[in-house]
Amino acid sequence: QQQVKQSPQSLIVQKGGISIINCAYENTAFDYFPWYQQFPGKGPALLIAIRPDVSEKKEGRFTISFNKSAKQFSLHIMDSQPGDSATYFCAASRNAGGTSYGKLTFGQGTILTVHP
Amino acid sequence: DSGVTQTPKHLITATGQRVTLRCSPRSGDLSVYWYQQSLDQGLQFLIQYYNGEERAKGNILERFSAQQFPDLHSELNLSSLELGDSALYFCASSLGVGKETQYFGPGTRLLVL
Repeated sequence: QQQVKQSPQSLIVQKGGISIINCAYENTAFDYFPWYQQFPGKGPALLIAIRPDVSEKKEGRFTISFNKSAKQFSLHIMDSQPGDSATYFCAASRNAGGTSYGKLTFGQGTILTVHP
Repeated sequence: DSGVTQTPKHLITATGQRVTLRCSPRSGDLSVYWYQQSLDQGLQFLIQYYNGEERAKGNILERFSAQQFPDLHSELNLSSLELGDSALYFCASSLGVGKETQYFGPGTRLLVL
């Protein structure tokens, strides 16, 4: 019940295209859903995050869509650029109490390649 | 730069040995989390400390232990190392329990030969 499933494993898009990465979770106690971006040799960096009381959050070219009833959320990267080529991880955590709150449960990651 | 520092950056050691990984959280952050990243397991939560106290444990092996010191830096101790312990080990920090945003350090790459 702690799993977060992410797809696709890899994604190739052309410059200017839209990149879409999907995640699904099982634990309905999760209340925080961040996306992290990781470049080779670096630690994950927070990209954008959403709480389940909203269905969409946009920051620049990055948008999270959240479907609470389906227990799914997705990352959309508009106008994808070669500099966006990285590994993207969705994650989920529970912050409302209990003994396991705060820890992040990660998806398996998506390797995004944006061709110029 | 996230503000989280980790040392060493790389570590090569032999099976059966013991190593210590060090993490300094961002200024003001009280929570420290340790994660392991490997090709087969992905990013896995190991353990969390808040203001010196252990708060949560994940799939951390009994051969691994951690602590957070009064100055809030943390150390992850890995002993009786096996080939399968080769991985990237990340430390992350956040303001405190319930303050969600976690900032990750650059990681320590451990290679066990």
